[in-house]
Amino acid sequence: SAVISQKPSRDICQRGTSLTIQCQVDSQVTMMFWYRQQPGQSLTLIATANQGSEATYESGFVIDKFPISRPNLTFSTLTVSNMSPEDSSIYLCSVGGVKDYGYTFGSGTRLTVV
Amino acid sequence: GDSVTQMEGPVTLSEEAFLTINCTYTATGYPSLFWYVQYPGEGLQLLLKATKADDKGSNKGFEATYRKETTSFHLEKGSVQVSDSAVYFCALNSGGSNYKLTFGKGTLLTVNP
Repeated sequence: SAVISQKPSRDICQRGTSLTIQCQVDSQVTMMFWYRQQPGQSLTLIATANQGSEATYESGFVIDKFPISRPNLTFSTLTVSNMSPEDSSIYLCSVGGVKDYGYTFGSGTRLTVV
Repeated sequence: GDSVTQMEGPVTLSEEAFLTINCTYTATGYPSLFWYVQYPGEGLQLLLKATKADDKGSNKGFEATYRKETTSFHLEKGSVQVSDSAVYFCALNSGGSNYKLTFGKGTLLTVNP
């Protein structure tokens, strides 16, 4: 299975600023996914990032708040913009694309907004 | 739409106890089913999976059987260890155009020595 390097692993940010999270995969993958895990909660899909096209956002998430780049088949970034304390969460990237296979997750970025 | 209902936690067991974490699902078509584990401070790891009815997924002593008639995928382990302490997530993927995973809320398991 793919190996994902996600960084930063954690950060503490001031409200109103932005943070960009990077996800690097050791092989080419079609689909990359960005999830949010709020404290004590399950994972919620933010968006699906395909190379060469605009990301597809889930209900409740918008591009202005969570812009995503996918410049090639091994890399993606998620930016959390104009942060507020409510954005404090773990953000995880994931790769997959074949229904019957387990998806691989990065180790996550633990974000605290103060 | 797709949904996963998972046993509420937290679950606290003594070492060598039997573990069951219940998971039921609602999905269109024939989903693939997964259990993921999240150890403290880490990301998610795939624990096991099953892709069709009556399949049994197994790994590290954990097992789960895909029961289409009861739409369930309960996680079991005969003898838990302290190192099994983690959050366990049941998830499904029903295919379609997006292939996204739908997760249950997670169950925190604590195993005491």
